[in-house]
Amino acid sequence: DTAVSQTPKYLVTQMGNDKSIKCEQNLGHDTMYWYKQDSKKFLKIMFSYNNKELIINETVPNRFSPKSPDKAHLNLHINSLELGDSAVYFCASSQEGFNTGELFFGEGSRLTVL
Amino acid sequence: AQSVTQPDIHITVSEGASLELRCNYSYGATPYLFWYVQSPGQGLQLLLKYFSGDTLVQGIKGFEAEFKRSQSSFNLRKPSVHWSDAAEYFCAVAFYNQGGKLIFGQGTELSVKP
Repeated sequence: DTAVSQTPKYLVTQMGNDKSIKCEQNLGHDTMYWYKQDSKKFLKIMFSYNNKELIINETVPNRFSPKSPDKAHLNLHINSLELGDSAVYFCASSQEGFNTGELFFGEGSRLTVL
Repeated sequence: AQSVTQPDIHITVSEGASLELRCNYSYGATPYLFWYVQSPGQGLQLLLKYFSGDTLVQGIKGFEAEFKRSQSSFNLRKPSVHWSDAAEYFCAVAFYNQGGKLIFGQGTELSVKP
């Protein structure tokens, strides 16, 4: 069983479209995250949720809206996609990592905006 | 500002040779320290972590890392590299009770020659 699973794994879309990426974890963790990895492989946190409550919201355009229907799911919705949104988006979860940073990552969702 | 530096963008070693990947961080206090590995097309997997105590930590796949407070370093080592170790390696730091926010280095790509 995959611990942290993301769908879709690949997403190709046009500028201006709206798209969503879904994430589910079956580890029973309380905290979930979205990280963005750019073309230079640099990883940066976007959001974190703890028990459905937003904890971290880095400087991310408000076109990005995370939604956590329950603590096992954290979805990322992106409006009005731009070329610069092309990246790999990683979902992650943690239990103790809420305090210490030890995270379990999904396999990533590669978004390409044309 | 908190930052993590991995000075080597790309390293090539021969199979069976030893390996050391460098990582330095800048922050006044001692953070929680991690090494993650990313195989092509995959998510990040935790190799090892340092929270406190013994400054030499052992991880999975035969890796170890040593925390040196005086040098603000957390270098990753392996005595004998295997071809399957070819991947991207990320050093990361986190600080207590910051919601699991990991700050990543730029990554070091490891290639292994037969």
